[in-house]
Amino acid sequence: DGGITQSPKYLFRKEGQNVTLSCEQNLNHDAMYWYRQDPGQGLRLIYYSQIVNDFQKGDIAEGYSVSREKKESFPLTVTSAQKNPTAFYLCASRPQRGVNYGYTFGSGTRLTVV
Amino acid sequence: GNSVTQMEGPVTLSEEAFLTINCTYTATGYPSLFWYVQYPGEGLQLLLKATKADDKGSNKGFEATYRKETTSFHLEKGSVQVSDSAVYFCALNDQAGTALIFGKGTTLSVSS
Repeated sequence: DGGITQSPKYLFRKEGQNVTLSCEQNLNHDAMYWYRQDPGQGLRLIYYSQIVNDFQKGDIAEGYSVSREKKESFPLTVTSAQKNPTAFYLCASRPQRGVNYGYTFGSGTRLTVV
Repeated sequence: GNSVTQMEGPVTLSEEAFLTINCTYTATGYPSLFWYVQYPGEGLQLLLKATKADDKGSNKGFEATYRKETTSFHLEKGSVQVSDSAVYFCALNDQAGTALIFGKGTTLSVSS
């Protein structure tokens, strides 16, 4: 079955560390997205990519970086510059940009600073 | 730009009660509208969608009608179950069709 796989499910980061969250899809979708979820704040867009080797900043990109070297993969790095990284991170994809397409989501990674 | 507002929760109901979760939107043009559901510790799942005015999306007993005149897409279910307890998100595309914009979510708690 096609879907999106996020790993790990839980991740602990020490102060000053960079960590990378994995997102892999086998849906042959062009567009991929990273959102951050905090209690009471809904989902906020971090980065998105419409095509391989191209990506754009979302609303809260500071302290994060991404790459899109393969269609299937869109990893997110949370750098030490992100001062409040504890959150639930969701990866999503859809066939392409456009008004009629919804997302398929992964099951999320919960990142905690220790 | 486009935006979406949904009622704040939590919404607490007894089993078999009628559910309404309000969602209103501001948009240029006529974007598709979506409802997503999130169960504890999981990602979001698409519940239903509507792509044009007066369309009714439906799934698993849930319904929502795309109302252009009131810019609304309220989620309804005639008889909720304990298993419907989750967080519900209303969403629409941004103006460029680049990404989805989500409401802040409404927590539904159903007791037996």
